[in-house]
Amino acid sequence: GDSVTQMEGPVTLSEEAFLTINCTYTATGYPSLFWYVQYPGEGLQLLLKATKADDKGSNKGFEATYRKETTSFHLEKGSVQVSDSAVYFCALTPGNTGNQFYFGTGTSLTVIP
Amino acid sequence: KAGVTQTPRYLIKTRGQQVTLSCSPISGHRSVSWYQQTPGQGLQFLFEYFSETQRNKGNFPGRFSGRQFSNSRSEMNVSTLELGDSALYLCASSLGPTGTEPQHFGDGTRLSIL
Repeated sequence: GDSVTQMEGPVTLSEEAFLTINCTYTATGYPSLFWYVQYPGEGLQLLLKATKADDKGSNKGFEATYRKETTSFHLEKGSVQVSDSAVYFCALTPGNTGNQFYFGTGTSLTVIP
Repeated sequence: KAGVTQTPRYLIKTRGQQVTLSCSPISGHRSVSWYQQTPGQGLQFLFEYFSETQRNKGNFPGRFSGRQFSNSRSEMNVSTLELGDSALYLCASSLGPTGTEPQHFGDGTRLSIL
């Protein structure tokens, strides 16, 4: 079945460090891929998305590229800030089968000054 | 534009009781999905409704049910509550039916079973 495998956390980085959170997926068909973020005490928010192979999603300095050949959608940011501390979830929808989202287990990121 | 609204925010129930949670989607959104979030299992899909029809269902027992009304508002019901049902229940709405649009999440209802 469809699934998402996400890098285990927690991750602790110093401010201005480079961030990569790995995400790989298993899907039949042509999934859409998403990154969501959950800040402390808040609900899930969409961070970025990509709906077809080679698309790059970007937002707030974060980027992820939909790689069909490696079935990956890794999240990157060149210089993290303390305010980026949150839990990050990779997710997919299988395609034209509705809005059933499959989420990874989440990666907790703490950025220290 | 108002976001997804879930009520109540917190609920405390005892084993064997039943509970109904409510979700009002973003205006114009016709798809509503429900998720259970727990520290051990993460986010697990419960079901999705579009235009009052259940289109997808996750791997949960029949004690978990839902419905959607003509104004797209949705309710989720859990009967014969068990301790393991303690979780954050999240509702999300989407504009379209195809899964290419992002879901917008509410803040959730935190259900505690005593």
